[in-house]
Amino acid sequence: EVQLVQSGAEVKKPGESLKISCKGSGYSFTSYWIGWVRQMPGKGLEWMGIIYPGDSDTRYSPSFQGQVTISADKSISTAYLQWSSLKASDTAMYYCARLVASGWLDYWGQGTLVTVSS
Amino acid sequence: SYELTQPPSVSVSPGQTARITCSGDALPKKYAYWYQQKSGQAPVLVIYEDSKRPSGIPERFSGSSSGTMATLTISGAQVEDEADYYCYSTDSSGNHSWVFGGGTKLTVL
Repeated sequence: EVQLVQSGAEVKKPGESLKISCKGSGYSFTSYWIGWVRQMPGKGLEWMGIIYPGDSDTRYSPSFQGQVTISADKSISTAYLQWSSLKASDTAMYYCARLVASGWLDYWGQGTLVTVSS
Repeated sequence: SYELTQPPSVSVSPGQTARITCSGDALPKKYAYWYQQKSGQAPVLVIYEDSKRPSGIPERFSGSSSGTMATLTISGAQVEDEADYYCYSTDSSGNHSWVFGGGTKLTVL
């Protein structure tokens, strides 16, 4: 069974760093792109970027380029999304999801809620 | 950057047909996909490649695409179909960059 399990909710202060994770199982982790999607409170879905764990090839949405870093450790089948200096506007639910070859997202993680507040 | 445009809301009575549109300049060349998101849950794919329905999705869900517009149709909408619906597609740049539409809140009452 394909599963993506994300790390738990985080509460951080502005300026702090954070790295959240997404662990894949039940399939060949290195053979599928993993994507990250943001959903701010009460708002829509936003495609942030993707990574191919096989070779760490990474693509970012122009809106998120330079704002976050996407990485992966294929040895433990885990993808990451990280911030070096959080802002209150980073408060959101973040989902990871697996991309099939044609680009759509088939399996989703349960989401990680990030709250940034002073 | 590329954008997909959806109406913010659609409202129908139970049993009526709901149609949700999605417009984008690249849709004549690129497939549209549709996700359903119920409150507090992760999105679920209901239509892929314009008009195909994944296993487990009720037959009342269908999709079509013509020119720069894709349409999700729910024939005989049920109360349990009330949710946010998002279209999803890519631009024609070949940069492996994807985008969601702004989402449409479907109300069935």
